[in-house]
Amino acid sequence: DAGVTQSPTHLIKTRGQQVTLRCSPKSGHDTVSWYQQALGQGPQFIFQYYEEEERQRGNFPDRFSGHQFPNYSSELNVNALLLGDSALYLCASSWRGRGGPDTQYFGPGTRLTVL
Amino acid sequence: SQQGEEDPQALSIQEGENATMNCSYKTSINNLQWYRQNSGRGLVHLILIRSNEREKHSGRLRVTLDTSKKSSSLLITASRAADTASYFCATGQTGGFKTIFGAGTRLFVKA
Repeated sequence: DAGVTQSPTHLIKTRGQQVTLRCSPKSGHDTVSWYQQALGQGPQFIFQYYEEEERQRGNFPDRFSGHQFPNYSSELNVNALLLGDSALYLCASSWRGRGGPDTQYFGPGTRLTVL
Repeated sequence: SQQGEEDPQALSIQEGENATMNCSYKTSINNLQWYRQNSGRGLVHLILIRSNEREKHSGRLRVTLDTSKKSSSLLITASRAADTASYFCATGQTGGFKTIFGAGTRLFVKA
C-alpha cells in the first residue's frame, strides 16, 4: 500500500518564477491538504481539497493556488515566487468519510529554495 | 499565528528516562493529534485524541487532554535514542477543516 508521495523532492527557483508541486494521496484517501513549513517552525495550513474543490484556506495570498484531480491527486501552484516562499511544502491525505477521525498521513515533502 | 504552543521548546534527556511535552491551544477543537518529524522530513502521525476523551495510550506513548484548560501532554516512557526528533501537537478545529500546528518540541535522547 503506497503512502503519500510528492514530487519533486527538491526544487530551486528564482524570484518571480512560478512552481508546481505534486501530491498523490494514500490509497483510499479522498482529501488532500497542503502545508508550508519554514525552517524551525511548525507546518502552516495552506488549503484543503475535497471533491476537487478548495474546502478551506489558511492565511496565504492568492499567489498560492491548487487543484485536485478526479483521482484525488493534487497540485500546489505558487506564482511570482518570493524569497520568503523558501520552505518545505508538505502534502497530507486523509479520508473524510462520515464519522472518520481526521488522521492525516504526510508525504516526505518538497524542499523549495527561492534564490 | 499558530495556535498550538508546545512546552518546552527543547528537551534533552538520557536514554531510559521519560519525556513529557505539553501543548496549549486557544479555540474549540474536535480533536488533538501528535506528530513526530525527523530531520525536516515528513511528519509521522503518533496518536489522535478526540475532544470527548481524556487519556489515550499507544505503546510507550500516553496522551492526556484537558479541554477545560485547553491543554494536552505527551509522555514518552523509557525513551530511546531513536526517539530523537521534533514533536508537534496539532488541533482539528470545530466547524472547519483546518489543522493548526504548534512550533514543536525538539527532543534529544542521549545514548
